[in-house]
Amino acid sequence: GAVVSQHPSWVICKSGTSVKIECRSLDFQATTMFWYRQFPKQSLMLMATSNEGSKATYEQGVEKDKFLINHASLTLSTLTVTSAHPEDSSFYICSAPGAFQETQYFGPGTRLLVL
Amino acid sequence: EDQVTQSPEALRLQEGESSSLNCSYTVSGLRGLFWYRQDPGKGPEFLFTLYSAGEEKEKERLKATLTKKESFLHITAPKPEDSATYLCAVQAGVRWGKLQFGAGTQVVVTP
Repeated sequence: GAVVSQHPSWVICKSGTSVKIECRSLDFQATTMFWYRQFPKQSLMLMATSNEGSKATYEQGVEKDKFLINHASLTLSTLTVTSAHPEDSSFYICSAPGAFQETQYFGPGTRLLVL
Repeated sequence: EDQVTQSPEALRLQEGESSSLNCSYTVSGLRGLFWYRQDPGKGPEFLFTLYSAGEEKEKERLKATLTKKESFLHITAPKPEDSATYLCAVQAGVRWGKLQFGAGTQVVVTP
């Protein structure tokens, strides 16, 4: 199956700072990637769709100025949490569609803790 | 509004005790139903994609089936390593990639 990586796997930051999370498709190209957020004991919620060469599409209720997404290449998408606050602490997971659109392959996730 | 409901919320099994997980859905224009396994602190691991009612797929001790209203994930003779949260997700409508997830079923298999 396709491999998606994320970096870092966990990050602790102070309130008010910005944090960048990288998502890479390792053995395939992805013109589209997806960013999800998962709170403890809850399921995944789609935050935004990252599109290579164009603007990201955000889900209702997700602040685009707070969660900046850049799809820099066919294998890399980044999510920057700007001016992070404790309520942004969560598990952030990215995914990319398989070559034949048969499913989405997920990265290992990034645990963010904002103090 | 599209809805995905998984039951039970949690399931405790003894090793070898077969069981089934349910995923019921209400969506407009189902394009695919997906099953994932998620271990604590990790991203979901792809298991199956089902596209149409009557379809079945198997992988080791797992078998997924699909009807027009629900999907089942059967676990046959589970082992402790099958302990995980099993997530069901659907993709509906014209917008590829927007998956709607159920809340998941947490499965614990004891020796």
